[in-house]
Amino acid sequence: EAGVAQSPRYKIIEKRQSVAFWCNPISGHATLYWYQQILGQGPKLLIQFQNNGVVDDSQLPKDRFSAERLKGVDSTLKIQPAKLEDSAVYLCASSLGSGTTAYEQYFGPGTRLTVT
Amino acid sequence: AQKITQTQPGMFVQEKEAVTLDCTYDTSDQSYGLFWYKQPSSGEMIFLIYQGSYDEQNATEGRYSLNFQKARKSANLVISASQLGDSAMYFCAMREGSGDSWGKLQFGAGTQVVVTP
Repeated sequence: EAGVAQSPRYKIIEKRQSVAFWCNPISGHATLYWYQQILGQGPKLLIQFQNNGVVDDSQLPKDRFSAERLKGVDSTLKIQPAKLEDSAVYLCASSLGSGTTAYEQYFGPGTRLTVT
Repeated sequence: AQKITQTQPGMFVQEKEAVTLDCTYDTSDQSYGLFWYKQPSSGEMIFLIYQGSYDEQNATEGRYSLNFQKARKSANLVISASQLGDSAMYFCAMREGSGDSWGKLQFGAGTQVVVTP
């Protein structure tokens, strides 16, 4: 079974530029998550999708971050314009569902973003 | 307020020895789940073990066991017979809620484990 795929793996941009990350979850997984992991910290949830609807985006900085999950499969996360503090690893994860019997989240390898 | 606290930033452990990673949590919910993840230098988060708040027995998965002390709000991970491949960052995490109303997964700051020969 293929795991969660993410691209690109690394990205370096200048502040005020825009960037987009792509995630392809495990086939059949209804729930998709985007996390931000700043160096030295644990991941922080940015947004959670159930199929193509948003379940939780309370920690997404909506003035600069946006995410979509068209057709309930792939997802893209965009930052526009980027700030220095956005330098982090962006992790995508998926799970069968979000309930008690589907709690296990499978993570992708992440995209390491450096904003200069 | 910090929901998950991992007080050990880093630990060295000798191969074949056991190591305990500390985790305390803060919640007023009766229903919650506790998780441990491993993050090698390659970056992906690997699920290790899960403990539900109503589970009476401590969870075990191979060489991993979770020492769950509900009254103390403690969920320590024990890795037995450490291997060189266990060198990684380890994160404790919690989700509050139950059924179809699970909250977000909240992570601690992690503990870096280095296994030495």
